[in-house]
Order: sequence, then C-alpha cells, then structure tokens
Amino acid sequence: GAGVSQSPSNKVTEKGKDVELRCDPISGHTALYWYRQSLGQGLEFLIYFQGNSAPDKSGLPSDRFSAERTGGSVSTLTIQRTQQEDSAVYLCASTSGGVNTGELFFGEGSRLTVL
Amino acid sequence: AQSVTQLDSHVSVSEGTPVLLRCNYSSSYSPSLFWYVQHPNKGLQLLLKYTSAATLVKGINGFEAEFKKSETSFHLTKPSAHMSDAAEYFCVVSGTGGYNKLIFGAGTRLAVHP
Repeated sequence: GAGVSQSPSNKVTEKGKDVELRCDPISGHTALYWYRQSLGQGLEFLIYFQGNSAPDKSGLPSDRFSAERTGGSVSTLTIQRTQQEDSAVYLCASTSGGVNTGELFFGEGSRLTVL
Repeated sequence: AQSVTQLDSHVSVSEGTPVLLRCNYSSSYSPSLFWYVQHPNKGLQLLLKYTSAATLVKGINGFEAEFKKSETSFHLTKPSAHMSDAAEYFCVVSGTGGYNKLIFGAGTRLAVHP
C-alpha cells in the first residue's frame, strides 16, 4: 500500500497475556520508529530501526517490551505479560529522510486495551 | 536535553476567527521544530517544519509558525479557522542522535465551533 500499515487496529487482551503488534512501513523507507500514545499524553518514543538494526532502544519501558525488524521492512513490537498500564495506542512511523528532515509518515496505530 | 511544552491542552475557537496554538521549546543547540496534526482516527501528518532557514514557516491548510529564538517559542497560527481544522496538534522538536528522533509535546486539542 501507499502508506504505513499497522495491525491489528484494535486489540483487547487480558492482563498477563502476550501481544504482537505489526507495522508494514512505506516501501523503500529504511528508518522505522515505534511510539506510544497514552491518553492525555504526547507521543512517547519507544525504539528506532535503521534497516534491521535498532541503534536506539532507549524508550522501551521494560524488558517485557521487545521489537524486531526483518528484511528491512516489516516490524513487530511484542509485549509480554501485559499490564494495564500498557494500554495505549502504539504508533509506527517510517521515513527515508535524512537527519532532522522531520517528515515521519505515521500509521493509524494499534489501540491496545489490557483488561 | 530537548523538550517542548504546549501551553494549552484545549483551545476552542469560532469558525472564521484566528487560531493560536502555543509552544515553547528547550534545546541545548539550534533545534529543528515541527508541528504535526492528528485528525480523529487518522494518522499523524506533518503540518510544517523549521530547520534554521526562514523563521516564518508556512505549512499546509493555511497554517504558519514563527520561530522566535529569544522567546524559545514556535507558536502555530492561522488567520481564519475552518471546521475541518478541528484536530489534535503536536509541537515537536528533534532530539540528538543524528537521526529523526522526534520529541513530542503533550498536544493541543483544537475545537472549532460554527
């Protein structure tokens, strides 16, 4: 597709379960980002990929969170043993731009609700 | 460290009146600054960006922002609001690290009334 695609768009899970969120970036975009948007807060940076490597994982909240990217394309964000505080919208973005161009292309997000 | 503060969580205007969304930034070096817009159930979209060229930046849909170093501000304005401008607006500063690590403000929700 032409834009960043994320799935599922909505996920309801029980506390303690694992979840996987998928991001399919714009074709040819080498950089991929995951952000988290909680109610009433701005976007919180989670992790950045350049190709398949993640030079910056500093935003991952705990070791329950992990992400990978394969083939320089699709990325999966995994949350293990989900907690209620993990409830948020998880946004993926990609770009082919250089340093500080600022134009990230965002998907519509995956809304996670942990009961 | 870089940060942004959006001074209003909610702004309400009447259609046809001016819009002002306020943003102050903190940066240890000359920053790149952006405004993104998020319409309901839509992805975030770049509205405009400042990257050390002209201090008055024009964006899409009639919005513009002025970079004021002395005031560390980057307020977003529009002369005349339209109903379709109702959305959430995020002021954003680029972080360090040599890549597009964007640091977002908490957002301002703009309501436009007939």
